[in-house]
Amino acid sequence: NAGVMQNPRHLVRRRGQEARLRCSPMKGHSHVYWYRQLPEEGLKFMVYLQKENIIDESGMPKERFSAEFPKEGPSILRIQQVVRGDSAAYFCASSSQGTDTQYFGPGTRLTVL
Amino acid sequence: KQEVTQIPAALSVPEGENLVLNCSFTDSAIYNLQWFRQDPGKGLTSLLLIQSSQREQTSGRLNASLDKSSGRSTLYIAASQPGDSATYLCAVRPSGGSYIPTFGRGTSLIVHP
Repeated sequence: NAGVMQNPRHLVRRRGQEARLRCSPMKGHSHVYWYRQLPEEGLKFMVYLQKENIIDESGMPKERFSAEFPKEGPSILRIQQVVRGDSAAYFCASSSQGTDTQYFGPGTRLTVL
Repeated sequence: KQEVTQIPAALSVPEGENLVLNCSFTDSAIYNLQWFRQDPGKGLTSLLLIQSSQREQTSGRLNASLDKSSGRSTLYIAASQPGDSATYLCAVRPSGGSYIPTFGRGTSLIVHP
């Protein structure tokens, strides 16, 4: 039973480019959460999605960031026109229900040059 | 707004010592508290989860306690080993409808052979 999968594991972008981060939840899980971990800081919640719905995006910046979890395929976190301050580790977690334990993926480390 | 603090921020000990890592939180209206381990460049591994009605959980050499009224949890590691070296994160999930956890910044542990 594969765990939460994220790709790419490492992503390098130049300022102004777009970054697309993918998350495949554990089999049977329909709830996905995205978190960001900045250097020397704790994990910060960004967005919570169920299939085809955004449930809570209170932690996501209003501009340049978007997330989706389509009926088929992985969840995508998209960052447009990246800036150096977007450099961080982005973690995805999934659960079978909103109240259940979240299982974390290995993360995508984004570096913006 | 929930705030989670972990003390100490870093800890370096010789192999074999018994350790106590501390986590404090400001809002006692919690659903559960979870301890994670994060290895450098890796994702999060769940160690122990304590529901709000519980006082402690044990797994092998690990024991986590929860005192909701005082807003504290401790993670006790017995007979530490070099393989225990990692960052330990505490996460508190609120009760009352939102299931988004608040993470502490972690305790970075190094166990010398």
